[in-house]
Parts: sequence; C-alpha cells; structure tokens
Amino acid sequence: DGGITQSPKYLFRKEGQNVTLSCEQNLNHDAMYWYRQDPGQGLRLIYYSQIVNDFQKGDIAEGYSVSREKKESFPLTVTSAQKNPTAFYLCASSSGTGVEQFFGPGTRLTVL
Amino acid sequence: ILNVEQSPQSLHVQEGDSTNFTCSFPSSNFYALHWYRWETAKSPEALFVMTLNGDEKKKGRISATLNTKEGYSYLYIKGSQPEDSATYLCAPGGSYNTDKLIFGTGTRLQVFP
Repeated sequence: DGGITQSPKYLFRKEGQNVTLSCEQNLNHDAMYWYRQDPGQGLRLIYYSQIVNDFQKGDIAEGYSVSREKKESFPLTVTSAQKNPTAFYLCASSSGTGVEQFFGPGTRLTVL
Repeated sequence: ILNVEQSPQSLHVQEGDSTNFTCSFPSSNFYALHWYRWETAKSPEALFVMTLNGDEKKKGRISATLNTKEGYSYLYIKGSQPEDSATYLCAPGGSYNTDKLIFGTGTRLQVFP
C-alpha cells in the first residue's frame, strides 16, 4: 500500500536535547512538507522540499532543521534552540505544486 | 502571512441535517483553495482542491463552492451522517508560492445519531 509513515507516534525529549522525527513516503512524490499543530491553531508550515537536495523554510522554521537526501525521506530535527517544541507534528507529500497533499499519521512530541 | 478564518469553530447537528461551513481568506495573491477532512486518530484527507472563481466540486454528499473575488469558500454536507464527524480544514495557497498552504483552525463537526 502506498502512503506516508511517521515514526515514532509518541516521543519524549528532555530539555536541551535534539530529536529527529522520521517521515517516509512511497508515493513517488516530489514535494514533502512538515507542519506543526498547537491547540487552537491551524497547521503551520515548518519546512518544505519540492525536490531532492533542496528545501525551503516555512513560516516557523526557527529551531528546526531538515534534510532531503532521498526522494522518499524528509526527516525533521527539533533542536534545543526550539523554545517550545511540545506539539503534534505532521508530515505530508504531494506530486507537485497546487495539488492535494497526503498526510502521515503524525508524531506527538513532548518535552519533559 | 494570509489570515484564514473558518466559521463556525464547532457545530453539532442531528443525523440527517444538512450543514455548511465558511472559509474566508484574502482574495489577493490567490492560487488554489484546499479542503481537508481530519477525523480523530486519523490523518487529514483531501476533499477538494479548487482554483477557478465560481468553481463547484462534489464528492458524494459533500460539495464546495469558491468565490475568489470576494475571498470565500463554502463547504456543504447534505444529510449529515455520524461518519461525517470530523474537523474540516481549509487552506488557501498563494500565487507567489503554490506550495505554501495557510491552514485555518478548522470547523469541528459532530453529528449525533
């Protein structure tokens, strides 16, 4: 079955630690995205990548980093510079610009 | 950053009722309007992507209209069923960068049997 997987489902981190969230897709999509959801707010774009080895900052990129070495994978690292990392993180992909995005199941990150 | 407003924030209806939600967005720099349904414990799922002023799309009992000149879209559900219970998100994308969707906070629909 084609789709997007995210792991882990739940993640706990101590303050000051970096942590990496995994996102893999087998839909052969060129574009991939990372969003963050906080209570009472819409999904906010962290980073996106339109093609392998290229990525762009979204609206809230500070404290995050990404890489896109393979078409199928777009890992997100939440660094210690992110001041309020506790949130629900969603990864998505699409076949191009201006078309529907397909979402993964999400990772809930909690900083202890 | 675009300001996207969805109303109402939440809605409770009885099975069989028809309902509609609104998504408002700045009409300048518009390229496309996405609607997604997000059921609890599942991933958001695309319903429609609309680009043309006056566009109407339909999927089963759900339909949507788009007015790009005045900056709004309506989502209609005819004869709501309990399985329609979900949060409905709209997200316009700008012409300057069609990849950057700005999501509204959603309308949470609960349909009671």
